[in-house]
Amino acid sequence: AQKITQTQPGMFVQEKEAVTLDCTYDTSDPSYGLFWYKQPSSGEMIFLIYQGSYDQQNATEGRYSLNFQKARKSANLVISASQLGDSAMYFCAMREVFTGANSKLTFGKGITLSVRP
Amino acid sequence: DTEVTQTPKHLVMGMTNKKSLKCEQHMGHRAMYWYKQKAKKPPELMFVYSYEKLSINESVPSRFSPECPNSSLLNLHLHALQPEDSALYLCASSQDPRGSYNSPLHFGNGTRLTVT
Repeated sequence: AQKITQTQPGMFVQEKEAVTLDCTYDTSDPSYGLFWYKQPSSGEMIFLIYQGSYDQQNATEGRYSLNFQKARKSANLVISASQLGDSAMYFCAMREVFTGANSKLTFGKGITLSVRP
Repeated sequence: DTEVTQTPKHLVMGMTNKKSLKCEQHMGHRAMYWYKQKAKKPPELMFVYSYEKLSINESVPSRFSPECPNSSLLNLHLHALQPEDSALYLCASSQDPRGSYNSPLHFGNGTRLTVT
């Protein structure tokens, strides 16, 4: 079974508008971390934001925020005021503590975001 | 700028060649990783080093041989590769390999490898 599910095949957003990228996860581990990464066409994998399973508040980092709904096992990334440079592939990922090797970062399939001028 | 440096950026090699990919970080991280990524796919874990010791090998073929000479350096030695090994190879590091689920991986820019 997939641990991280990203079902949106591709997303388009108008410049300066907000966009939400969906991510659901599956784990029986009470302690886990959720991460979002951005990968432009140049290839580098850029860490954007982190949410811990015990965090009471949604994480925010500049224009990025994470809509964390623990009961639904979802961790959606919200990008506000989209910029042309936000066009990239976005990966949701998870690290667990007790189940499996705790050093592993499991990725979803990714979502391609295109920002229109 | 990324704090994990990978060289070379691009590499073209024949199936009989021997080459090495290099990765360096100076963030004091004690876990280092090699990932392989095909186009439009997520990265796939290959190897994890924890405190300079190999802790995870994801059943990678022996034509890929990792090496961690010290806590800052990670190499991937390549020998007798196949065309299907052509991919982006990403190196990453993280702060604490001991169950730190809140520690993000920091990636390098990758090496684009083409096997002819």
